[in-house]
Amino acid sequence: AQSVTQLDSQVPVFEEAPVELRCNYSSSVSVYLFWYVQYPNQGLQLLLKYLSGSTLVKGINGFEAEFNKSQTSFHLRKPSVHISDTAEYFCAVSETGDDKIIFGKGTRLHILP
Amino acid sequence: NAGVMQNPRHLVRRRGQEARLRCSPMKGHSHVYWYRQLPEEGLKFMVYLQKENIIDESGMPKERFSAEFPKEGPSILRIQQVVRGDSAAYFCASSPTSGGSDTQYFGPGTRLTVL
Repeated sequence: AQSVTQLDSQVPVFEEAPVELRCNYSSSVSVYLFWYVQYPNQGLQLLLKYLSGSTLVKGINGFEAEFNKSQTSFHLRKPSVHISDTAEYFCAVSETGDDKIIFGKGTRLHILP
Repeated sequence: NAGVMQNPRHLVRRRGQEARLRCSPMKGHSHVYWYRQLPEEGLKFMVYLQKENIIDESGMPKERFSAEFPKEGPSILRIQQVVRGDSAAYFCASSPTSGGSDTQYFGPGTRLTVL
């Protein structure tokens, strides 16, 4: 069965510093991978997704993620964070041909002034 | 183009009452998904529906929970005889097609509190 592990429940980082949020998945078949962001008391917004092709995926708000099949990882990165990036970030996976998305438990990103 | 709409945004029920949550998908979207988010947890898939059909309900609790997506009107998630453990945020998402590759667009959620 597929699963998603987000290794860090919280990540504090200073404003304008780089950040990496880690995500590992397990699946026996090919997958689609997603990162969603949830601002306080709001729904989820798609940051980026990997379906196929180039392993480096660029998303909105300056975020990017790299798909590493051998390490079954899909880490999210941003070179310089802003206070407005304070939110919870969810990594998610769906098996190709399946409709449901399996989410990780989320990583809270705290931006320190 | 309005996004996915959910109402109510907040719902308070006493134990034993019924909760009815509504979701209107984005215009042109015929695929609806319901997810539940418990405190300090990620979202958990509950059910996937198309118009008048339940496609996948593998995440639905066996009792008290039901969902529908009628030909006309919003999708409804119904919880009968609510218990404290049902307190959570319930999110609806919609997509124009199926198969997993299409983006699911999420609504703002309904936060259910059971007293």
